Amino acid sequence: DIVMTQAPLSVSVTPGESASISCRSSKSLLHSNGITYVYWYLQKPGKSPQLLIYRMSNLASGVPDRFSGSGSETDFTLKISRVEAEDVGIYYCGQLLENPYTFGAGTKLELK
Amino acid sequence: VQLVESGGGLVQPGKSLKLSCSASGFTFSSYGMHWIRQAPGKGLDWVAYISSSSGTVYADAVKGRFTISRDNAKNTLYLQLNSLKSEDTAIYYCARSQTDYWGQGVMVTVSS
Repeated sequence: DIVMTQAPLSVSVTPGESASISCRSSKSLLHSNGITYVYWYLQKPGKSPQLLIYRMSNLASGVPDRFSGSGSETDFTLKISRVEAEDVGIYYCGQLLENPYTFGAGTKLELK
Repeated sequence: VQLVESGGGLVQPGKSLKLSCSASGFTFSSYGMHWIRQAPGKGLDWVAYISSSSGTVYADAVKGRFTISRDNAKNTLYLQLNSLKSEDTAIYYCARSQTDYWGQGVMVTVSS
């Protein structure tokens, strides 16, 4: 199974500042079709997860452009520019390259 | 797009339960669908996937006990849970193939 390792486990950010979350996969997520199948989600308290970034760097519909995704075949970064109060929650990375589809353990973002 | 789960509840170990996910706002028959669960206070755990052509894959932890199915005429996804264990206690979410839409989740509690 592909293991997804996130860091840090938690991050505390001053509103208006930026934050970065890292995710590493135990195997390349680059498909032969050129698409890298890593996804980023935010789960706000008491809510379902919502998709932020799909296929490594594509912004999901309705997601502010303060969010961006980047990376290589095995190392990925979610960057949040100008953090706002509504960004609080747990961020997960996940891979949809091959089953079993797997997720990172999550990174909790709090405000200072 | 809307996904609405139902059918959860409290069930004894070894018993069965059937979850439903009613889909609307998109052409259900054209999309693969996932079941993903989240144990209390834990991260995301992929359970099963069914393709638009009804091919299925399962996580090892549920293989042989759970069955994913779909009824395109009713725009509904199902998850049959048999031989339930305490470790199956979780919120169960249905999600569209690229995980761009998630339901609100339904709680399944396995306890005597």
